[in-house]
Amino acid sequence: NAGVMQNPRHLVRRRGQEARLRCSPMKGHSHVYWYRQLPEEGLKFMVYLQKENIIDESGMPKERFSAEFPKEGPSILRIQQVVRGDSAAYFCASSLRTGAEKTQYFGPGTRLLVL
Amino acid sequence: AQSVTQPDIHITVSEGASLELRCNYSYGATPYLFWYVQSPGQGLQLLLKYFSGDTLVQGIKGFEAEFKRSQSSFNLRKPSVHWSDAAEYFCAAVNDYKLSFGAGTTVTVRA
Repeated sequence: NAGVMQNPRHLVRRRGQEARLRCSPMKGHSHVYWYRQLPEEGLKFMVYLQKENIIDESGMPKERFSAEFPKEGPSILRIQQVVRGDSAAYFCASSLRTGAEKTQYFGPGTRLLVL
Repeated sequence: AQSVTQPDIHITVSEGASLELRCNYSYGATPYLFWYVQSPGQGLQLLLKYFSGDTLVQGIKGFEAEFKRSQSSFNLRKPSVHWSDAAEYFCAAVNDYKLSFGAGTTVTVRA
């Protein structure tokens, strides 16, 4: 059973460009979460999605950031007009369901570097 | 506010020695608790989890953790560390779906 897949593993963008980060959850998992790991700030929740629904995006910056989890295909975290402060590791996690089973399994992450 | 605290930023331990990493949580009700490990440049690997029941939980790679409600703690232990245990360790808690992480403890293993 393949784990959570993320690509690309490393992404370099210049200021003002767009970054698209992709995440394929574990097989059978329908809940996807994105977290950001900033230097000196630790791991922070960004957004929680189920298929075709954003459940909680309270951790996402209000501007330039968006996320989706379409009926078919991977979840996408999109950052428009990147700035240097967006440089971080972005991790996707998935879970089977909430309620009794809350275990989130993480992907390898995408390291974004903004020049 | 809900929070997870790891008091030790960095721990150095000799190979073969025992290891204990501390974790305290502050939640209204007992959350679900996890320990993850992150090697440099890698993702987070789940070591173990506690939902309820037996307060001593066993995980992978020879790790165990003990839940103590009275102390709001969930400390991670390993009796004998290996050089490959050098990594950053994160304690995390959840009571709905939002994982809250501690700041992490970096473990260095010396020969």
